[in-house]
Amino acid sequence: DIQMTQSPSTLSASVGDRVTITCRASQSIATWLAWYQQKPGKAPKLLIYKSSNLESGVPSRFSGSGSGTEFTLSVSSLQPDDFATYYCQHYNGYPYSFGQGTKLEIK
Amino acid sequence: EVQLVQSGAEMKKPGESLTISCGGSGFSFTSYWIIWVRQMPGKGLEWMGRIDPTDSYTNYSPSFQGHVTISADKSISTAYLHWSRLGASDTAMYYCARRNSGYDFFDYWGQGTLVTVSS
Repeated sequence: DIQMTQSPSTLSASVGDRVTITCRASQSIATWLAWYQQKPGKAPKLLIYKSSNLESGVPSRFSGSGSGTEFTLSVSSLQPDDFATYYCQHYNGYPYSFGQGTKLEIK
Repeated sequence: EVQLVQSGAEMKKPGESLTISCGGSGFSFTSYWIIWVRQMPGKGLEWMGRIDPTDSYTNYSPSFQGHVTISADKSISTAYLHWSRLGASDTAMYYCARRNSGYDFFDYWGQGTLVTVSS
């Protein structure tokens, strides 16, 4: 099974900062990677699919990149609404799996 | 508007059975697979399995195979997650989600069903 590892587990930042979250796969997954945002008590929300494609309606300050085993999610200028937990998910065959999550906190 | 609406919170005792549901609207239910995800308290997301409502073909994560059953009734656009025998470790939030039509990411999610198992 493919394991997904995110870093850091927690990230403290301020409004207006640029931040980057990393997701590593235990084997190559080409670009079969999605990113989700989850706020407390809410369902996850799709942000990015196929590594770098922005889901409709997601602000352009979010971007994704990477291929193979290393991927990043960046937020160019943090807004108050962006403080949440972020998960990567591979879909390079069953079983799909998620990273353990990165909690983005207000500094 | 695409919506997945899940059944309400459940409180059960160990050893009891349970079925929770996920109703789809605003899209052709048989054109999309439905997946289930577990989130234990304070923890991350775990993919449990998926179903094609057209023919009820399923795939399960090895971690959940044999412990839960995923089913669907396409006539009422509803998917189900069933336990025949709950344990305390099944206490979690459970989400259903819609698989994108072409690829295995999940574009719409239900609001979640909290299952609490306690004696």
